[in-house]
Amino acid sequence: GQQLNQSPQSMFIQEGEDVSMNCTSSSIFNTWLWYKQDPGEGPVLLIALYKAGELTSNGRLTAQFGITRKDSFLNISASIPSDVGIYFCAGPNSGGSNYKLTFGKGTLLTVNP
Amino acid sequence: GAGVSQSPRYKVAKRGQDVALRCDPISGHVSLFWYQQALGQGPEFLTYFQNEAQLDKSGLPSDRFFAERPEGSVSTLKIQRTQQEDSAVYLCASSLAGANVLTFGAGSRLTVL
Repeated sequence: GQQLNQSPQSMFIQEGEDVSMNCTSSSIFNTWLWYKQDPGEGPVLLIALYKAGELTSNGRLTAQFGITRKDSFLNISASIPSDVGIYFCAGPNSGGSNYKLTFGKGTLLTVNP
Repeated sequence: GAGVSQSPRYKVAKRGQDVALRCDPISGHVSLFWYQQALGQGPEFLTYFQNEAQLDKSGLPSDRFFAERPEGSVSTLKIQRTQQEDSAVYLCASSLAGANVLTFGAGSRLTVL
C-alpha cells in the first residue's frame, strides 16, 4: 500500500525559531493534507493542498505541494510554545478508494520557551 | 453539534471483554470514518460509512471488529473479545459527501489489560 515518510521524527527548537518538516511518498498523491495533533486530542487540519506546486499559508504556517506530487513540506515561522504537538502529513489513496487517508508517522515538535 | 463527539474518552477492558465506542459526527456530515491510532503511529483507516451504508470495512483488523451506523448519524465501533493488541486510540472522523478533508473527534483510548 501507499506509505508516507515524514522527517524528521522529532525536533527540539527554541521559541522564535523557524521549523521545516517534510513528507515523501513513493507514489503520486493528488492531495496533501497537514494535520496537527495535541496530546489527548484528535488531529486538526492545518492546511490542504490540491495542486502540484501550490504554496499555501495559514498564519505562520506555509505548506507546499511538491512538483513531482511525491512530496510536501510544512514550514512554521517564529515558533511559539503552543506549536508543540505532532504534525502529520496525509493524503488520499489513489483510485476508487480516495476517501481513505494514508497518514505518515508524524513529526513531534517540542518548543522550548 | 459543533464538532465530532466520541465516548467514552477512556476505556479500560480486561482481555476477553467486549467494548463499544460511540461517535456523534458533525450534523449534516454524510461520511463517517473510523481510524485506529497505535502509540507513536499515525492513524490507520478502519472503516467508512456513507449515510447508513458501510461502503468499506477493509481496514478492520479481524472479525472481532464490527461497526454500524443504523440511522446514518451516530456510529458505534464494537470490539468483541478484546485482546491486548487492540489497545489504541480509536478516532472517529466525519466529512461532507465527497470531501476527503476530515474533522476528527478527540478519540477513545482503549487499554486492554
